[in-house]
Amino acid sequence: DADVTQTPRNRITKTGKRIMLECSQTKGHDRMYWYRQDPGLGLRLIYYSFDVKDINKGEISDGYSVSRQAQAKFSLSLESAIPNQTALYFCATSDPSGSQSANTGELFFGEGSRLTVL
Amino acid sequence: GNSVTQMEGPVTLSEEAFLTINCTYTATGYPSLFWYVQYPGEGLQLLLKATKADDKGSNKGFEATYRKETTSFHLEKGSVQVSDSAVYFCALTSRGYNKLIFGAGTRLAVHP
Repeated sequence: DADVTQTPRNRITKTGKRIMLECSQTKGHDRMYWYRQDPGLGLRLIYYSFDVKDINKGEISDGYSVSRQAQAKFSLSLESAIPNQTALYFCATSDPSGSQSANTGELFFGEGSRLTVL
Repeated sequence: GNSVTQMEGPVTLSEEAFLTINCTYTATGYPSLFWYVQYPGEGLQLLLKATKADDKGSNKGFEATYRKETTSFHLEKGSVQVSDSAVYFCALTSRGYNKLIFGAGTRLAVHP
């Protein structure tokens, strides 16, 4: 089983609908992230959370919200989806205090959620 | 601000050819540098990393050397295989700052 699990893996929806993408992890990491991937733009950070009580905006947070329900769960919501939010969304985790040594920045990614907004 | 610039793809090679994917960065301080790989239909996974100047990261036959004087972290492999076909992302993070900044990605296609 994957250490970082995203649901749904694929979703097609219509403009104006509310959509939630969910992420759960079994790695025991405190830090969780949501990125979106667009062709030619790489990955851009939407929101990140360093612990359950900590939520931070990334570079493209407009139109998105998040909820950190528990250490292991981090959900991304689109309150009113629009076509330019069509993208591949990735959840990731990190553990800066772990054996990889502090602050080296390695992230562990889920398999992605492909969202299409018509 | 911090940024990463990668060569545009796609890069198309024959099996056993030499690979170079260029990556340069702009950052304050002394960032850690990474190459991530994304195989078709999968999430990103760490390929290699370097945390200080002149370090060489290596994994699966791939290498990259952290060059502070040229602010570069070029990815190389001496003999590519069809199974290396993927998208490669260069990334950086500053010390004490655990957010990764990614380049746009470079798609590599290796043909038999």
